[in-house]
Amino acid sequence: EEQLVESGGGLVQPGGSLRLSCVASGFTFSSYRMNWVRQAPGKGLEWVSYISSSSSTIYYADSVKGRFTISRDNAKNSLYLQMNSLRAEDTALYYCARDPVRWDLSPMGFDYWGQGTLVTVSS
Amino acid sequence: QSVLTQPPSASGTPGQRVTISCSGSSSNIGSNYVYWYQQLPGTAPKLLIYRNNQRPSGVPERFSGSKSGTSASLAISGLRSEDEADYYCAAWDDSLSGPWVFGGGTKLTVL
Repeated sequence: EEQLVESGGGLVQPGGSLRLSCVASGFTFSSYRMNWVRQAPGKGLEWVSYISSSSSTIYYADSVKGRFTISRDNAKNSLYLQMNSLRAEDTALYYCARDPVRWDLSPMGFDYWGQGTLVTVSS
Repeated sequence: QSVLTQPPSASGTPGQRVTISCSGSSSNIGSNYVYWYQQLPGTAPKLLIYRNNQRPSGVPERFSGSKSGTSASLAISGLRSEDEADYYCAAWDDSLSGPWVFGGGTKLTVL
């Protein structure tokens, strides 16, 4: 059974750093693109970052560009999000999500999501 | 403010058909597929519709999607109480704001 499990969230002061992890199981992690999506308390979904299966292509939302770094270790079936210079507006539940593509490389949507890890930025 | 525009709320009675709209632009919905997610209270989002109108295995036929130009719609027929949830549209975006953009979400209430 495919599964994604996030960890690493917690309470951090403004300007601080956190590293989120997402461990995948039940599928060939190295074959899939991955994303981080966040949801502020009581708010909607916001896409944060994307990484291709080989890490060759990476994208960030403007709101986190220059502060967050996405990476992956296919040998460890793990996805990461290094978050620096954290702000109060980064407070959210952070989800990792699998992003499969069809044979013609067209996206199939985020078909598996983790349960999320909560990041709270507050003094 | 979200790149894709959805109504903040929608409602219907059991058995009714409801639709939720999603409006975008030429760089996202106008040139790429639309996806819909359902988020039940306290849970992670679930993929409901992919590539405009395709249902993943296990999603009831009551859920259907359509797209026309730079807008898309999610329709739910035979509304049930367990359909009460937040619904989000999403699309790949070819502009610098991408690649993925979401709508602000629509809270569906079953009266």
